[in-house]
Amino acid sequence: GEDVEQSLFLSVREGDSSVINCTYTDSSSTYLYWYKQEPGAGLQLLTYIFSNMDMKQDQRLTVLLNKKDKHLSLRIADTQTGDSAIYFCAESPHQAGTALIFGKGTTLSVSS
Amino acid sequence: AAGVIQSPRHLIKEKRETATLKCYPIPRHDTVYWYQQGPGQDPQFLISFYEKMQSDKGSIPDRFSAQQFSDYHSELNMSSLELGDSALYFCASKMQWGGTGRGYTFGSGTRLTVV
Repeated sequence: GEDVEQSLFLSVREGDSSVINCTYTDSSSTYLYWYKQEPGAGLQLLTYIFSNMDMKQDQRLTVLLNKKDKHLSLRIADTQTGDSAIYFCAESPHQAGTALIFGKGTTLSVSS
Repeated sequence: AAGVIQSPRHLIKEKRETATLKCYPIPRHDTVYWYQQGPGQDPQFLISFYEKMQSDKGSIPDRFSAQQFSDYHSELNMSSLELGDSALYFCASKMQWGGTGRGYTFGSGTRLTVV
């Protein structure tokens, strides 16, 4: 079955770059997503990448996709204290309509 | 822009009671997904509906049932509630065909507390 794995914790200092990594198993996934969740809040879509892309940049966010290794990463430049949250990687399996499969989430802690 | 609406936002129930959670998808979205997120856990897929028919089933307990109505809103019915059912329940909606990669839109969730 499909499985999405992430490291559980990341701690950085304000102003540094953060890199959150994710591995997935379904090579047929068409889209891969990064969601942000603040304490007690909902899931906020940060960015997504189509499987035929290697990289996508959106302001402070850079997503890298290595399809061969089934590895996805999210880089946050100039990390701020407001970036402290849980970041979930999610894959959308190839079959139309299949639900998103989430990783366990990476807790990012930003210290000033 | 319209978002996915979930009600209620918070719900407190006692053990063995029943609860009904509602989800109103974005207009023209024909697919609804339900997720359960326990404390400190990742969202777990429960069930989904496409055009009012169940399209996929995840880890939904037999005590739970759901349906999608003619106006595409969906309800998750939970019976014989247990303490372990305390969680954040998310609904997401999507346009099945012709949508974009952004397609999955999540509601703010219903926080269910069973006491």
